Amino acid sequence: GENVEQHPSTLSVQEGDSAVIKCTYSDSASNYFPWYKQELGKRPQLIIDIRSNVGEKKDQRIAVTLNKTAKHFSLHITETQPEDSAVYFCAASKREDYKYIFGTGTRLKVLA
Amino acid sequence: DSGVTQTPKHLITATGQRVTLRCSPRSGDLSVYWYQQSLDQGLQFLIQYYNGEERAKGNILERFSAQQFPDLHSELNLSSLELGDSALYFCASRAGDTQYFGPGTRLTVL
Repeated sequence: GENVEQHPSTLSVQEGDSAVIKCTYSDSASNYFPWYKQELGKRPQLIIDIRSNVGEKKDQRIAVTLNKTAKHFSLHITETQPEDSAVYFCAASKREDYKYIFGTGTRLKVLA
Repeated sequence: DSGVTQTPKHLITATGQRVTLRCSPRSGDLSVYWYQQSLDQGLQFLIQYYNGEERAKGNILERFSAQQFPDLHSELNLSSLELGDSALYFCASRAGDTQYFGPGTRLTVL
């Protein structure tokens, strides 16, 4: 069935370093890939997304890359700050059914 | 604020009871999705509605049911509650490709 694998499950980085979270999806028909940030007890918030006709997208310190051939997409956070500490979820969906398959989440800790 | 509203924010109840969670999508959005998030777990997709019709079902228990009304708000009904049903329940609405999540309802079953 449809599946999204997300790695790593936890990630600790020093403040100012970069963090990379990777996801792999199984359904080659997927064409939309959002990333959500969730702070403890709060709602998931969309931080960046990418569509299948684009290979990379950047928004300030956050970037997402997509490799359709390998069915991989990754979140890159540069110059990490303590407020980046949260759980990050990737997801994949397709326009045929607008069903969103979420990864299992990555807990990012930025150490001051 | 995503524009998606959920009530109540918190709900505490006992095992065996029945509760109803309510969600209003963003103005203009026709879709509603329900997710369950247990402590330190991922987002488990429960069910999806579009303009009043059920579109997809995920890992939704038979004790749970939902509907979307003509005014597009949705209700998730949870019955015969068990301790393991304690979780955050999120709804989301969709505009184009993008999902927007509500603030969630925290359900505690004692």
